Amino acid sequence: EVQLVQSGAEVKKPGESLKISCKGSGFSFYTYWIGWVRQMPGKGLEWMGIIYPSDSQTKYSPSFQGQVTISVDKSINTAFLQWSSLKASDTAMYFCVRYFSSLTSPLRYWGQGTPVTVSS
Amino acid sequence: QSALTQPASVSGSPGQSIAISCTGTSSDVGGYIYVSWYQQHPGRAPKLIIYDVVNRPSGVSDRFSGSKSGNTASLTISGLQPEDEADYYCNSHTTNDIQVFGTGTRVSVL
Repeated sequence: EVQLVQSGAEVKKPGESLKISCKGSGFSFYTYWIGWVRQMPGKGLEWMGIIYPSDSQTKYSPSFQGQVTISVDKSINTAFLQWSSLKASDTAMYFCVRYFSSLTSPLRYWGQGTPVTVSS
Repeated sequence: QSALTQPASVSGSPGQSIAISCTGTSSDVGGYIYVSWYQQHPGRAPKLIIYDVVNRPSGVSDRFSGSKSGNTASLTISGLQPEDEADYYCNSHTTNDIQVFGTGTRVSVL
């Protein structure tokens, strides 16, 4: 069974750094695109970016380029989303996703979400 | 990359059919067959219900169907049921291998 298990809720202050994780199991982690989707409180879904674990190739939405970093540790089948300096506007639920197959395929599998709260 | 445009809300009575539109451009919806739809119940992760415009993943009810004409895709829910009350998002592949979501539609079952 394909599973994406995300790290737990985070409460941070503006300016702090953060790295959240998404551990995949039940599939060959190396060979599927893994991505991140943001959902701000009461708002819609936003595609942030993706990574291909085999070669760490990344693609970012222009809205998130330079604002976050997506990385992967193949040895532990885990993808990461990190911020170097959080803002209050980063408060949101973050979902990790696995593509069905190729880069043009849909977001077939979703993690449970990691809520991030940034407040002074 | 601008979000695809969806109506904010659509409602219907049990047993009725409703349709949700998703309007983009020739750089996304109009340019690819890679349009998908997601259902999200409150407090839950989204769930894929339609992909490649018309296909349903295994386990998804055949009451959900998709179509596309030009720059506009549509999701139809037939035989509306109380459990269909949820938020629905379209999604499209775009140039540079980026994806974009729609603005989202709240479906209410009256």
